[in-house]
Amino acid sequence: QLQLQESGPGLVKPWEILSLTCTVSGAAIRSPGYSWDWIRQPPGEALQWVGSVSYHGRTYYNPALKSRVTVSLETSKNRFSLRLNSVTAADTAVYFCARRPLRGLPFDFWGQGTLVTVSS
Amino acid sequence: DIQMTQSPSSLPASVGDRVTITCRASQDIRDDLGWYQQKPGTAPKRLIYTASTLQNGVPSRFSGSGFGTEFTLTISGLQPEDFAVYYCLQHNTFPLTFGQGTKVDIK
Repeated sequence: QLQLQESGPGLVKPWEILSLTCTVSGAAIRSPGYSWDWIRQPPGEALQWVGSVSYHGRTYYNPALKSRVTVSLETSKNRFSLRLNSVTAADTAVYFCARRPLRGLPFDFWGQGTLVTVSS
Repeated sequence: DIQMTQSPSSLPASVGDRVTITCRASQDIRDDLGWYQQKPGTAPKRLIYTASTLQNGVPSRFSGSGFGTEFTLTISGLQPEDFAVYYCLQHNTFPLTFGQGTKVDIK
């Protein structure tokens, strides 16, 4: 059974870098046909797609965050990562990682989510 | 960006009710739409994909319909475990976008 698990600091200072990893078990992230995505949810608000990296390394980002966000594969550790620069309180959210099939289907497996708070 | 307008935002209902949630896309997304259920403190769970295909293991009281710009999620015979927040997601065009959510709660 595929499992995804987010990890990283729960508290980040304003203007610093938010860095999270998503460790995948039960499947190889280099297996053809899938993209690995980050989605976030500010407290009490709706879901927002952040960005994605496909099995062959192609990336897409939300334009609202594009200049600050990087998503990348770490194939040797079977995980992918999120880096968000220059964070503010508006970046406080639960961050989810998820798998998205490339054959025109929406996210099928999700991590449990991790809360990241931006505060000094 | 494609805007997903979801309504209503809140839906008070009783066990046994038939409830319908609507999502309208700001442009044609064919059937590239999924529906998710989220309970407090947990990740969203996929219920429906390609607008009308029921995810394996999801009860048949859930159904989806629509194509293009208008989509609906229907729960026929609401059960206690169905009280949750529901989101639509379009994955036709980047950036992927979600609706604002519909909270189905106890009337």
